[in-house]
Amino acid sequence: GAGVSQSPSNKVTEKGKDVELRCDPISGHTALYWYRQSLGQGLEFLIYFQGNSAPDKSGLPSDRFSAERTGGSVSTLTIQRTQQEDSAVYLCASSFTYNSPLHFGNGTRLTVT
Amino acid sequence: GNSVTQMEGPVTLSEEAFLTINCTYTATGYPSLFWYVQYPGEGLQLLLKATKADDKGSNKGFEATYRKETTSFHLEKGSVQVSDSAVYFCALSDPSEDSSYKLIFGSGTRLLVRP
Repeated sequence: GAGVSQSPSNKVTEKGKDVELRCDPISGHTALYWYRQSLGQGLEFLIYFQGNSAPDKSGLPSDRFSAERTGGSVSTLTIQRTQQEDSAVYLCASSFTYNSPLHFGNGTRLTVT
Repeated sequence: GNSVTQMEGPVTLSEEAFLTINCTYTATGYPSLFWYVQYPGEGLQLLLKATKADDKGSNKGFEATYRKETTSFHLEKGSVQVSDSAVYFCALSDPSEDSSYKLIFGSGTRLLVRP
């Protein structure tokens, strides 16, 4: 595709529900990243994929958060038993290699009520 | 650890005014420095970068100089336009660390340019 695509663009969910956020990176990009942008905060690193493996999951806030990547392409970020503090914009980015410029998607705005 | 500090916004300017958005950093090694811009309704885009001391990154009339002595990377533009209204993020990556792929971002500065 022309750019990094994320879906849904907006998600409202009730506290305690599970949510899945999807990211379609640019074709051919081997590296994929998830970041979180909370209100008034900078972007917080969550996880980095190289191909299908995630050598760095250090930014995942708790064990309620998980992510996977399949076929070296699409990635899904799953949040289980959502809490209000999970409300944020979740941004996905991809790059050709790990030290190439990042291309960001438009993000998924998650609101937990 | 590595960190980035930006001036708080919003910054409100009239068209054709001079812009400075301050950014300072803390790093254990010799980081690469970046400015990203997020226009309304869009994803972050790389605006400019500098990879070593005294380098000047420039793009679309914006400039920033990597100042190692003051650990700064301030963004400047001589004459802003309404279309420059956006949120600007300063960021760094540290090539000397195993996690060189990881970008450390500042909190962002919103710029509003009035006609």
